[in-house]
Amino acid sequence: DQQVKQNSPSLSVQEGRISILNCDYTNSMFDYFLWYKKYPAEGPTFLISISSIKDKNEDGRFTVFLNKSAKHLSLHIVPSQPGDSAVYFCAATTRGGSEKLVFGKGMKLTVNP
Amino acid sequence: NAGVTQTPKFQVLKTGQSMTLQCAQDMNHNSMYWYRQDPGMGLRLIYYSASEGTTDKGEVPNGYNVSRLNKREFSLRLESAAPSQTSVYFCASSEALRPYGYTFGSGTRLTVV
Repeated sequence: DQQVKQNSPSLSVQEGRISILNCDYTNSMFDYFLWYKKYPAEGPTFLISISSIKDKNEDGRFTVFLNKSAKHLSLHIVPSQPGDSAVYFCAATTRGGSEKLVFGKGMKLTVNP
Repeated sequence: NAGVTQTPKFQVLKTGQSMTLQCAQDMNHNSMYWYRQDPGMGLRLIYYSASEGTTDKGEVPNGYNVSRLNKREFSLRLESAAPSQTSVYFCASSEALRPYGYTFGSGTRLTVV
């Protein structure tokens, strides 16, 4: 049973427009959420995170929104740039317990010039 | 800083052969992890080590063994490789999941023929 879901495998947007990547989760014990970015032939790298005590976290062009009641989070990239083309993974972890991340399947973002 | 170093980067094995994937981190992290990435499946945890001297199974441990040799090194062994183990393998380490989660290596692309 998948606890972190990224239901859309891919997204294509024009340079300069907004990219919105969605992530849903089923485990109500998740209290911390992260987004990773992965380029081909490289390992994933940390992008941005949010704690369940917040509903928004912003870092430059990247903003993550958390809707706890809907068990939904989204990553907004504004404006999108061709260099943002990558696979994005949503991940989550629970309060207490073992220190592990649960990942979604990833979404491939393509930003067209 | 090298971060997390994985060797080899590429490997082709014949069915039934064995091999060990090496991982070393220089960040003095306590926890280390092995993931595999397959198309449409995202990142799946194989084994992890919360601290030196301990290892635990993840989501897909069958066919693999691990050794936490010391605090720096965490190896993954395939005793008898199968075509289903064709994948990209990522090692990761962390000290605490908040706020940055894991630091990943650049991966090992393994093909079993």
